Amino acid sequence: EDQVTQSPEALRLQEGESSSLNCSYTVSGLRGLFWYRQDPGKGPEFLFTLYSAGEEKEKERLKATLTKKESFLHITAPKPEDSATYLCAVQASGGSYIPTFGRGTSLIVHP
Amino acid sequence: DSGVTQTPKHLITATGQRVTLRCSPRSGDLSVYWYQQSLDQGLQFLIQYYNGEERAKGNILERFSAQQFPDLHSELNLSSLELGDSALYFCASSPSGEPNTGELFFGEGSRLTVL
Repeated sequence: EDQVTQSPEALRLQEGESSSLNCSYTVSGLRGLFWYRQDPGKGPEFLFTLYSAGEEKEKERLKATLTKKESFLHITAPKPEDSATYLCAVQASGGSYIPTFGRGTSLIVHP
Repeated sequence: DSGVTQTPKHLITATGQRVTLRCSPRSGDLSVYWYQQSLDQGLQFLIQYYNGEERAKGNILERFSAQQFPDLHSELNLSSLELGDSALYFCASSPSGEPNTGELFFGEGSRLTVL
């Protein structure tokens, strides 16, 4: 069974204080790893797809990286508007192609 | 705005009752996915429909059922409701039968409270 574990569950940062969120996964062959952002009261919003170890994707202050066992979402010099829950999901190459989501990391950035 | 519309946004009902949640996918998307999100379980996949046919099934209870209509909108029916069914129910859509790029377009959800 595919498993996705995100850490920490919650993270508080000061504006400008860079940090990383972790997503470790167990899957029988990775087809893709996805990062989503979810604001309170809203649905998840797609950020990135990573397909293979060593791949990196960037968007504004966010950079996602992938190894064979985990992915990191690096947040550089965050702003209060980066506050949200960040969800990681994996898609297996065999069997079900439905993404399996982790429980997310709740990020709060204080001004 | 993802282009996915869900109604109602909020719903309060009693145990034992039945409710219907509605989802209109993005224009042109053929697949609809239903997810349940609760504090202790995270985002759990329930069921997927593609062009009117059931395509994949997840941890959906027998008390729950869904369908996709010819105009591609979908409905999730929840019956014999229990307190534990209280959650956010999300609908997502994608253009094809498989979310190849991982990009699902989520609606804003329907918050169900069972009292």
